[in-house]
Amino acid sequence: GAVVSQHPSWVICKSGTSVKIECRSLDFQATTMFWYRQFPKQSLMLMATSNEGSKATYEQGVEKDKFLINHASLTLSTLTVTSAHPEDSSFYICSARESGALTEAFFGQGTRLTVV
Amino acid sequence: GNSVTQMEGPVTLSEEAFLTINCTYTATGYPSLFWYVQYPGEGLQLLLKATKADDKGSNKGFEATYRKETTSFHLEKGSVQVSDSAVYFCALSDRNNFNKFYFGSGTKLNVKP
Repeated sequence: GAVVSQHPSWVICKSGTSVKIECRSLDFQATTMFWYRQFPKQSLMLMATSNEGSKATYEQGVEKDKFLINHASLTLSTLTVTSAHPEDSSFYICSARESGALTEAFFGQGTRLTVV
Repeated sequence: GNSVTQMEGPVTLSEEAFLTINCTYTATGYPSLFWYVQYPGEGLQLLLKATKADDKGSNKGFEATYRKETTSFHLEKGSVQVSDSAVYFCALSDRNNFNKFYFGSGTKLNVKP
C-alpha cells in the first residue's frame, strides 16, 4: 500500500516553544491530508482537514492559531504547535488519501509530543 | 450525523480463541467501513474494509461484513494469536463530507499464550 511518512516520531520541547511536525506522502499525491490527535487510551480526534493550496478546515473546538497547518504541496503537510504547553502533549497522527480516490486513508506512524 | 460505537475493552483471550469485536455505526449517507489496527507506539494500519452493503472485508484471518440492516461491521477471527494483541479501531468514511473518517473509541485486545 501507499506510504505516509511522519517526522519526527517523537519530540520533547520546552513550554512556550513551537514544534513542527511533517507529514509526507512518499509514493502518491494527496490533495487532502488529515490531522488527528490521540489522547492516552482514547480514540483519534480529527483536528483539521488540510487541503493543498488553500486554508485548512478546522474542527469545532480546535484553535486555529495554536495548531497551524500548511499544505504547500501535494506530498507535504505540516502541523505547527505554537507556544506549546504541557496540555498539548499528545500523540499526533496524520493521514492522506490519493487525489481523487475514494479509498482508505493511509496513516503516518504518529508523533509523540511531550511538552515539559 | 456520523458516528461509530464499538465495544469497550480490554478484551482478554487465550491463544486460539475466537474473537468478536462489535461495531455499529450511524451515518447520513452511504459510508465505507474500515477496521484499523494500532500496535503500541505506532500509527494506524488498515486491517480490512468494505465499501457497500453485504461486502465482506478480510485480511490475515480477520473478517467483517457490512450489514446495512443492522448498521454493523463486527470484526471476527477464528483463532487469535499473541501477535494480534493491539488496539482495534472501527471507522467509517463519509464520501459526502470530504471523505472524513469517524473512529470508534478503540478496543484493546490482549491475547495470552
